[in-house]
Amino acid sequence: KNEVEQSPQNLTAQEGEFITINCSYSVGISALHWLQQHPGGGIVSLFMLSSGKKKHGRLIATINIQEKHSSLHITASHPRDSAVYICAVGSDKLIFGTGTRLQVFP
Amino acid sequence: NAGVTQTPKFQVLKTGQSMTLQCAQDMNHNSMYWYRQDPGMGLRLIYYSASEGTTDKGEVPNGYNVSRLNKREFSLRLESAAPSQTSVYFCASSELARGRGAFFGQGTRLTVV
Repeated sequence: KNEVEQSPQNLTAQEGEFITINCSYSVGISALHWLQQHPGGGIVSLFMLSSGKKKHGRLIATINIQEKHSSLHITASHPRDSAVYICAVGSDKLIFGTGTRLQVFP
Repeated sequence: NAGVTQTPKFQVLKTGQSMTLQCAQDMNHNSMYWYRQDPGMGLRLIYYSASEGTTDKGEVPNGYNVSRLNKREFSLRLESAAPSQTSVYFCASSELARGRGAFFGQGTRLTVV
């Protein structure tokens, strides 16, 4: 069993829809990261959180430490949000999930 | 502010050839990492360096060596490339212990034929 599990693996949505991507982990962590990887391959850090909730624009990340679960929400999704979203956990080293491929259609 | 610079972006090697992937960061981070990314799998840690002068093996170190030349630079060497090392390689740096996120290079797409 992977230490970091993401669901769904693939997700398609119509522009404007509310998106939720989930991440569950089985190891003890000090922080959880959400990353975005565009088709060109570059990886960008979206959030690093250890408790509660963070918001940046249309992106919201939440974490429940007791349940070892995090969610990434995208409000009013747009085709430019199409990317692979990756969850990672760790303190000095990161353990990555396999990613969720999101496609948003106009 | 360039962040993490990784070279080359693309490389084709013949089995048995050697090469070095270069990585440099200008954010004064202590920690640097090398990952590989394969289809259907998450990023897997090859080696990491918690500080200048130290390196540690990650999940998949076999066939690779690293050098933390100074605080800025962390190189990955393939001494004798094998087709199983065909992958996309990412260098990253961070100050995770200080609550700061990780920054990634643009990746190197390596094909070993």
